[in-house]
Amino acid sequence: DAKTTQPPSMDCAEGRAANLPCNHSTISGNEYVYWYRQIHSQGPQYIIHGLKNNETNEMASLIITEDRKSSTLILPHATLRDTAVYYCIVRVYGNNRLAFGKGNQVVVIP
Amino acid sequence: DTGVSQDPRHKITKRGQNVTFRCDPISEHNRLYWYRQTLGQGPEFLTYFQNEAQLEKSRLLSDRFSAERPKGSFSTLEIQRTEQGDSAMYLCASSVGDHYGYTFGSGTRLTVV
Repeated sequence: DAKTTQPPSMDCAEGRAANLPCNHSTISGNEYVYWYRQIHSQGPQYIIHGLKNNETNEMASLIITEDRKSSTLILPHATLRDTAVYYCIVRVYGNNRLAFGKGNQVVVIP
Repeated sequence: DTGVSQDPRHKITKRGQNVTFRCDPISEHNRLYWYRQTLGQGPEFLTYFQNEAQLEKSRLLSDRFSAERPKGSFSTLEIQRTEQGDSAMYLCASSVGDHYGYTFGSGTRLTVV
């Protein structure tokens, strides 16, 4: 699977939209972009995934660039409970190994 | 609670002892995964089951590690002759099919002293 690059950490203001970037310049055509997050002392939580179209669910929106080399996870109204490590993962269906990396420590500030 | 359950939540053991962890996945999920996470790192894949068959194993899963899923429901992960380097969070996850996200449990934190 292609590797991803995320900032190691970022702060976001409570109540504002949080835009979390991810680069995956070597992504191939059959690889999906997945986002998970991990709140302290808990297991990772699935957020969203997509192939090339933008996706939205009750938790977040995923914006994938047209060339698919980068994506942005958007938390529309960040709350203090969104403070977590966010992982951007690229995966092809059939590969059962999620490659998590170190993720992006996001801190929501009041 | 219909999530993934792991037991125990915490385990402290002396070096050289054997330990066993249990994972109860979501009942309709046929796929089960074990991951290991050390401090400051993301989770690393250990092994994968589809129903009762263990289909993939990482090279991280040395011969001291064994995992089973005897009836395609719960799974156990055993570590024999524990070493201090085995200290980590052991995470279990389950999923239905290949096209969905995984549901993780809260993990078992192992400390080897």
